[in-house]
Amino acid sequence: RKEVEQDPGPFNVPEGATVAFNCTYSNSASQSFFWYRQDCRKEPKLLMSVYSSGNEDGRFTAQLNRASQYISLLIRDSKLSDSATYLCVVFTAGTALIFGKGTTLSVSS
Amino acid sequence: DTGVSQDPRHKITKRGQNVTFRCDPISEHNRLYWYRQTLGQGPEFLTYFQNEAQLEKSRLLSDRFSAERPKGSFSTLEIQRTEQGDSAMYLCASSETVNTEAFFGQGTRLTVV
Repeated sequence: RKEVEQDPGPFNVPEGATVAFNCTYSNSASQSFFWYRQDCRKEPKLLMSVYSSGNEDGRFTAQLNRASQYISLLIRDSKLSDSATYLCVVFTAGTALIFGKGTTLSVSS
Repeated sequence: DTGVSQDPRHKITKRGQNVTFRCDPISEHNRLYWYRQTLGQGPEFLTYFQNEAQLEKSRLLSDRFSAERPKGSFSTLEIQRTEQGDSAMYLCASSETVNTEAFFGQGTRLTVV
């Protein structure tokens, strides 16, 4: 089993749609969780950290379920500018940040 | 600019040559990571440093790869006897401490011909 697994994608949605991405991680001792966004041929950029209580930043909501070792990202009212690859990232003590392969989102008008 | 800086941005080299990349992390960031990314894949972990100590190396990092972080500031990643399979984007990231988010440089795109 891979350390961090994400929905295969791609997700093709119209503007205004709500879309959800899922991610599972294999190490129950993992401590910190993040979602990064990566535009084509650019470096990954932090979108948001994921907290145990769940957190929201505008149209973006992240959830963590430690019991199921599952992380989610919900995007409401999708914009054309949301088109990108979304990377799930997990940190476990004694090692580095581990990235999933990413899920590609394409928002069309 | 106080972000992570990588140099060069692009490198084309002939197979068998050695290449060296440099990364300048955000000032005061203790952790420095190197990742490799190929098309359609997420960043794959190569190695990381806590200050000047190299704490972990991925099995992806063959003996042709070496990384240093003298004095816990900038870092270099060297690839000896490059192969076509080394062609990728090499990303450097730094974080303030353990457990915190990492910030990436713009990467060095290596093409081995």
